[in-house]
Amino acid sequence: AQTVTQSQPEMSVQEAETVTLSCTYDTSESDYYLFWYKQPPSRQMILVIRQEAYKQQNATENRFSVNFQKAAKSFSLKISDSQLGDAAMYFCAYRSALPHNNNDMRFGAGTRLTVKP
Amino acid sequence: EPEVTQTPSHQVTQMGQEVILRCVPISNHLYFYWYRQILGQKVEFLVSFYNNEISEKSEIFDDQFSVERPDGSNFTLKIRSTKLEDSAMYFCASSESPRGGYTFGSGTRLTVV
Repeated sequence: AQTVTQSQPEMSVQEAETVTLSCTYDTSESDYYLFWYKQPPSRQMILVIRQEAYKQQNATENRFSVNFQKAAKSFSLKISDSQLGDAAMYFCAYRSALPHNNNDMRFGAGTRLTVKP
Repeated sequence: EPEVTQTPSHQVTQMGQEVILRCVPISNHLYFYWYRQILGQKVEFLVSFYNNEISEKSEIFDDQFSVERPDGSNFTLKIRSTKLEDSAMYFCASSESPRGGYTFGSGTRLTVV
């Protein structure tokens, strides 16, 4: 079974600085998707960024980018120019792309990001 | 932007009672999911649903739980004989295909007292 590991329970960053959140995963599959979700205090799950495993190019969404290292099974999230509104729990998630029925998403334990003014 | 809608946002129930959590997925989505998040813990998969039947369920999803799509728009999670440990945030999600990302609802906070 696929597992997702986030080794940093908490991280802190100064406003306007850059922070990197780590994620590793374990899978024997070659085709899959990886995601970062943000969960603010409202508890809603908000998709931040996604990466298809077959794409070598790292995904980027404005201030958010990933460093996808397929061989190392690593998928870190970099947040540039951190803003107070970035403070939240961040979850890394894995989803198989194989032709099963639904391929449920597996989540890491989360990293709580604090942004200091 | 299309949303997944969950109601109620917060439900308090007595231990042993039955609760029904409701979700309205995005209209052109075909795959539906329920996840649970106990406070301070990870998001856990409960069940996936496609073509009017369960396609996959976790070990958490035992006989206490059931899902239904009663009218083509709603997707419900029923929890029978609620226990204190069922207190959690329950998220519904939907997706257009079995690949790619989900859209999550804003969750229902269930408190069992």
